[in-house]
Amino acid sequence: DAKTTQPTSMDCAEGRAANLPCNHSTISGNEYVYWYRQIHSQGPQYIIHGLKNNETNEMASLIITEDRKSSTLILPHATLRDTAVYYCIVILFNDYKLSFGAGTTVTVRA
Amino acid sequence: SAVISQKPSRDICQRGTSLTIQCQVDSQVTMMFWYRQQPGQSLTLIATANQGSEATYESGFVIDKFPISRPNLTFSTLTVSNMSPEDSSIYLCSVEGTEENEKLFFGSGTQLSVL
Repeated sequence: DAKTTQPTSMDCAEGRAANLPCNHSTISGNEYVYWYRQIHSQGPQYIIHGLKNNETNEMASLIITEDRKSSTLILPHATLRDTAVYYCIVILFNDYKLSFGAGTTVTVRA
Repeated sequence: SAVISQKPSRDICQRGTSLTIQCQVDSQVTMMFWYRQQPGQSLTLIATANQGSEATYESGFVIDKFPISRPNLTFSTLTVSNMSPEDSSIYLCSVEGTEENEKLFFGSGTQLSVL
C-alpha cells in the first residue's frame, strides 16, 4: 500500500471549515483514498472515500488532485464533536488490512 | 451502514485467564475482521473470519492464542487466551458495508487491561 503523510495536528474554530491535507505521492492507479476518524477510546469511524473524482456526503467532502498525489478532507462546519484523530489511508478495493499512520489530531475550539 | 454491537466494552483481567469478545452485526455479512490497537499505535489486523470456514490469521497471530468462531453471518467471537499484560489493548470487530462494499465499519471496541 502507498504511504500517506499528514500534518500532526490542527486547530479549528467551531463553525468554520476544517481542511485536512494528505499527501500520497506513491498511490497506484487502483488504490482508493479513504478517510477515517477516531475519537478517544472508540472504534474508527468511516468518513468518506474516493478514487479520482471529488466526493461529498453528509459528513464531509473529499477533494482529490488530478494527479491523485494528494487529497483534502473538508469538514464544512466543524463542531466540538469533530475533535478526533483523522486518518488518511490508501488501499486497494478488496484489501481489508487497514493500517493507520499517526493521523492528524484535530481540535475544534469554541 | 452496518450497526455493530461489541461486548464487553471493557474488562480488567488477571494474567493467565481468557476473555471472549462478542461481535453482533445487524445484517448478514460475508467477512468479519478482528483488529487490535495497542496504546498509541495503529490498527493491526488479527484475522479474517468467514462463515463456514476457519479464520485466516495474519502473521504473528495464531489460533491457539486467538481462537475465533463464526457460527453465522451476523455473529463472531474472538477469544484472547492465556492473557499476559502484553495483551492489553483495544480489540475491534469490523465488517465490510452491506450496501457499498468499499467501506469497512468498526464496532466500538473492547478495551482490555491485563494485570
